[in-house]
Amino acid sequence: DIQMTQSPSSLSASVGDRVTITCRASEGISNYLAWFQQKPGKAPKSLIYAASSLQSGVPSKFSGSGSGTDFTLTISSLQPEDFATYYCQQYNSYPITFGQGTRLEIK
Amino acid sequence: QVQLQESGPGLVKPSETLSLTCTVSGGSINSYYWSWIRQTPGKGLEWIGYIYYSGNTNYNPSLKNRVTISVDRSTNQFSLKLNSVTAADTAVYYCARDGHGSNWYGDFDLWGRGTLVTVSS
Repeated sequence: DIQMTQSPSSLSASVGDRVTITCRASEGISNYLAWFQQKPGKAPKSLIYAASSLQSGVPSKFSGSGSGTDFTLTISSLQPEDFATYYCQQYNSYPITFGQGTRLEIK
Repeated sequence: QVQLQESGPGLVKPSETLSLTCTVSGGSINSYYWSWIRQTPGKGLEWIGYIYYSGNTNYNPSLKNRVTISVDRSTNQFSLKLNSVTAADTAVYYCARDGHGSNWYGDFDLWGRGTLVTVSS
């Protein structure tokens, strides 16, 4: 199975900050990488697919980049509603696997 | 808009079968791939498997011997059965949609809110 490793595991930031989360795959996955946001008790929300394509309706403050094994999710101008846990997920090969998550907290 | 809702027992006894249903509302189950995913504090997120509306399935090898996913197009639902459960199967179970229609990619554009299933006697 492909292992997905996110860093950091947790991150404190202030409203208005720009933050970057990193995801590394244990082997190359081309651009078959998705990011999603999770808040307690709510359905996970898809943000990005194909490493850098924004899902419909997702604001452009979210951006993704990378290819192969190294990927990033950047969130600009943090707002209170952005504080959540973020996950990466690879879908290059079976089984689909996920990162362990990055918890973004308000400083 | 399309919404997914998981339903089923919240408590299952060890060695018994876990059964969950996902209801698709606001849209058709046809022409999409549908998955089950679970989340535990210890192992994180784990993809269980998918079903196409036509009935084709693919399962995670780690669970393949115990899992069955089925679809009922007449009720716009798909279901998960996991047999011989243990405490390790205690998790929040999510249903999700691959947003690419008749082409399977494996990225999920739509998720349900999840349902907690506890395995305990």
